[in-house]
Amino acid sequence: ELKVEQNPLFLSMQEGKNYTIYCNYSTTSDRLYWYRQDPGKSLESLFVLLSNGAVKQEGRLMASLDTKARLSTLHITAAVHDLSATYFCAVENDKIIFGKGTRLHILP
Amino acid sequence: KAGVTQTPRYLIKTRGQQVTLSCSPISGHRSVSWYQQTPGQGLQFLFEYFSETQRNKGNFPGRFSGRQFSNSRSEMNVSTLELGDSALYLCASSHSGYEQYFGPGTRLTVT
Repeated sequence: ELKVEQNPLFLSMQEGKNYTIYCNYSTTSDRLYWYRQDPGKSLESLFVLLSNGAVKQEGRLMASLDTKARLSTLHITAAVHDLSATYFCAVENDKIIFGKGTRLHILP
Repeated sequence: KAGVTQTPRYLIKTRGQQVTLSCSPISGHRSVSWYQQTPGQGLQFLFEYFSETQRNKGNFPGRFSGRQFSNSRSEMNVSTLELGDSALYLCASSHSGYEQYFGPGTRLTVT
């Protein structure tokens, strides 16, 4: 059974700092997704990673995928308050399984 | 292009009742998936429909069911509601199972 683990589950950081969220999964996967969720809102798609070594960047966020290590990372560069949200990774093989989410709080 | 729409947005039901939630996918999307989100269990996959056929199902009891119509609109039904069914129910649509686009969700409260 596919399991997806994110860490940390909660992260409080200062503006301007860099940090990385990790997503480990237990079996081989077709695709890996990163989503953002603001409080009381739905999920917004950030990245879709399809192959080993895939790297995608959008603004201050960069996601990468290592299928051999079954690991994806979401790196935040020079964090700003607007990036405060909960970030989910999700892994697909037969169905899509979500991690528990990382609640990111960026202090001004 | 209009996004995924879900109705109703909020719902309050009593234990033992049943409820039907509706999801209209993005035009041209034939795959619709449903998820339950709770603070304790997080986001859990309920089922996926593609061209009116259930393609995948999560680990939920038979009280949870769904269907998809020929226009790709989907409904999910929960019978004999329990307090633990209180959750945000999210629907997502995709084109040929690729990137999913989520609707705003239906917040169900069971009292």
